[in-house]
Amino acid sequence: QQPVQSPQAVILREGEDAVINCSSSKALYSVHWYRQKHGEAPVFLMILLKGGEQKGHEKISASFNEKKQQSSLYLTASQLSYSGTYFCGTLNNNDMRFGAGTRLTVKP
Amino acid sequence: DTAVSQTPKYLVTQMGNDKSIKCEQNLGHDTMYWYKQDSKKFLKIMFSYNNKELIINETVPNRFSPKSPDKAHLNLHINSLELGDSAVYFCASRGQDRRGGYTFGSGTRLTVV
Repeated sequence: QQPVQSPQAVILREGEDAVINCSSSKALYSVHWYRQKHGEAPVFLMILLKGGEQKGHEKISASFNEKKQQSSLYLTASQLSYSGTYFCGTLNNNDMRFGAGTRLTVKP
Repeated sequence: DTAVSQTPKYLVTQMGNDKSIKCEQNLGHDTMYWYKQDSKKFLKIMFSYNNKELIINETVPNRFSPKSPDKAHLNLHINSLELGDSAVYFCASRGQDRRGGYTFGSGTRLTVV
């Protein structure tokens, strides 16, 4: 069963912040985050393996709350290059299920 | 230098035809996957192979048949193509490092007319 992402879409001005949420009805053992730009392949951003873990990649960071079975991706001081569709993925025994994606648009 | 390469990048074909998509990775990864991405961007797992062995076979029509001649290659053959098969197909691979993510190929845009 795939995780649920919210919001489905968000529009930002450069420099604004955004949060993308990912939740699962099943126990989460790890959460992946990917970004896909238009016409390109998804690109791995980061993985969170433990509850309470936080990671960072440029000005993009994420947290993982194992008990609540959810993860959040934080985009700080967004740049035009952050535009794309963000996917969370939950991995169980080599079986990755992706959320439906959040389309992020950053405008000048 | 390409880590995961797929061919062809674009495929336009008529209904009823049979076609193949090839995928190769030079990362030394043990596990390879096929995902289908529909027009709404939803990424759906189709198959997964680990060291040439099929480990995930989702509910896809049996017109789709994966083949892994060795752990660096995973091809997808589709028989009797239908309009609904039009999508972007992504190959991906992952190594044994549990902290690693998936590396995707650039995708094959299949259009059935």
